[in-house]
Amino acid sequence: KNQVEQSPQSLIILEGKNCTLQCNYTVSPFSNLRWYKQDTGRGPVSLTIMTFSENTKSNGRYTATLDADTKQSSLHITASQLSDSASYICVVTPGGGADGLTFGKGTHLIIQP
Amino acid sequence: ETGVTQTPRHLVMGMTNKKSLKCEQHLGHNAMYWYKQSAKKPLELMFVYNFKEQTENNSVPSRFSPECPNSSHLFLHLHTLQPEDSALYLCASSQEVDRVGGYTFGSGTRLTVV
Repeated sequence: KNQVEQSPQSLIILEGKNCTLQCNYTVSPFSNLRWYKQDTGRGPVSLTIMTFSENTKSNGRYTATLDADTKQSSLHITASQLSDSASYICVVTPGGGADGLTFGKGTHLIIQP
Repeated sequence: ETGVTQTPRHLVMGMTNKKSLKCEQHLGHNAMYWYKQSAKKPLELMFVYNFKEQTENNSVPSRFSPECPNSSHLFLHLHTLQPEDSALYLCASSQEVDRVGGYTFGSGTRLTVV
């Protein structure tokens, strides 16, 4: 069964600090992996997308990594800001024409001043 | 705003009520989706429409009835819901049903069934 596991479930850090969120998946074959940011009361917004051949992708202070061999991805946030407080959702798309995206439950991140 | 608009933003309804959720996109996308997001659970796909035709019904109870009159509008009609149906209902659209996951989501409707 295709699964996406995210850790930690929740995280509190001080403003200005860095943090790393983890995503492990069992989806196979694999097409791509996206990280979404979901602010409270809003829909998810795509941050990064990585395909099988990509190891790292940056979007401002967000840097995603992918190890397709170990089926692991991480999202690193540098110099956190209060506006980074949100849920971060990892989504994996299967390859080979298979149906259905697999969503993680998300990591709830709180940035404290 | 993302280009996908959902109304209402919040809805409280009794178990005997009938209500509808509305989703509208003007991004020129051809595929639209309904997702359910419950606390501490992954997003659950409910329905997929491609060029106004329903292509996927993910074993959703019949008390949820979708309608897609055109590629820009999507409705979710609700009747005789249960308290466990309380959740955030998200609409999304994409250029095609391309399974790349490049979806644009609306802000959702927070539904509470009492």
